Amino acid sequence: RKEVEQDPGPFNVPEGATVAFNCTYSNSASQSFFWYRQDCRKEPKLLMSVYSSGNEDGRFTAQLNRASQYISLLIRDSKLSDSATYLCVVNMGYNFNKFYFGSGTKLNVKP
Amino acid sequence: NAGVTQTPKFRILKIGQSMTLQCTQDMNHNYMYWYRQDPGMGLKLIYYSVGAGITDKGEVPNGYNVSRSTTEDFPLRLELAAPSQTSVYFCASHGTEAYEQYFGPGTRLTVT
Repeated sequence: RKEVEQDPGPFNVPEGATVAFNCTYSNSASQSFFWYRQDCRKEPKLLMSVYSSGNEDGRFTAQLNRASQYISLLIRDSKLSDSATYLCVVNMGYNFNKFYFGSGTKLNVKP
Repeated sequence: NAGVTQTPKFRILKIGQSMTLQCTQDMNHNYMYWYRQDPGMGLKLIYYSVGAGITDKGEVPNGYNVSRSTTEDFPLRLELAAPSQTSVYFCASHGTEAYEQYFGPGTRLTVT
């Protein structure tokens, strides 16, 4: 089983739609959780850190469910510029300086 | 503030050649990482460093070596390049207080 798993998509949605991605992780001792955005042929850029209580940044909301070992990302009012691949990243508790990346979920926002 | 810089941006190597990928950060971060990303895949950790003089292997270290003589620089050495090392290589860093990683722009390497 992979340490971090994501639905690869693609998710094809119209502008203005709400879309949600889930990511599951295997190690219950995981400590830190992140969503990164990666544009085609570019480096990953931090979108959000995911806190235990959930957090929101404008149109983006991240949630953590430790019992079920998944994190989610909700994007409201999708924009064309949201089209990208979204990477789920987990920092495993037993080795705090190793990060495990999901393969990414591709989002295409259409006009 | 340049953040994390990587050179070169692109490189084509012949099988058996060697090269060094350069990575420099100007944020005084202790933690630095090298990842590779194959098409359609997530990033895989090659090597990491928790400070100058300290390095350790990640998931896929075979065929690579690193050194960390200063806080700023973390070069990745490829010895005897193989086609399986064709990939995009990203360097990243973060500070001690937070684990949000900052990535360099990547090096696209092709081994033929």
